[in-house]
Amino acid sequence: KAGVTQTPRYLIKTRGQQVTLSCSPISGHRSVSWYQQTPGQGLQFLFEYFSETQRNKGNFPGRFSGRQFSNSRSEMNVSTLELGDSALYLCASSLAITSAGELFFGEGSRLTVL
Amino acid sequence: AQTVTQSQPEMSVQEAETVTLSCTYDTSENNYYLFWYKQPPSRQMILVIRQEAYKQQNATENRFSVNFQKAAKSFSLKISDSQLGDTAMYFCAFFLSSNTGKLIFGQGTTLQVKP
Repeated sequence: KAGVTQTPRYLIKTRGQQVTLSCSPISGHRSVSWYQQTPGQGLQFLFEYFSETQRNKGNFPGRFSGRQFSNSRSEMNVSTLELGDSALYLCASSLAITSAGELFFGEGSRLTVL
Repeated sequence: AQTVTQSQPEMSVQEAETVTLSCTYDTSENNYYLFWYKQPPSRQMILVIRQEAYKQQNATENRFSVNFQKAAKSFSLKISDSQLGDTAMYFCAFFLSSNTGKLIFGQGTTLQVKP
């Protein structure tokens, strides 16, 4: 069974631009969560989607948004990029109801903002 | 609000030895889950072990075991017979069923296993 796939793996943007990251969950997993990982702040929860609905959201500004498609694939978007948005963005999928926090992570998308 | 604290930023252990990573957390909830996740260098994060708060028995997965002290809000990870492949950053994480998809992570402990 294929794991969680994130694309692109690496990208470089400049301040003010926007970026879209993609995540394909494990087949059969309907919940997708996104996390931001930085050396200073550690791992912080962005949002979680289930059946195309955002069920939970972390404490991030409105520049961070996401969506989930009917095939459970998810995208997150960051608009008006700031230097502080440089981070590893991790996507994780789970079976949702029965998983109770057991998340399967992708390798991440490393974003550098110049 | 829940918080998770890992007080050991870095640790090292000799191959085949035993090491314990510490984690404390704070919550007013009674039913929750605790996890240890492992993030090897440049590789994806994987689940090491899970503990349900309502279970008194400490979880064990092969060489990995936990010491769960609910009253003290402590959740340490013991790695026995350490192997070079155990070199990674280890994160302690807290989960509430009502907070779907949201793991609250500690700052992590970088563990190096030396040959």
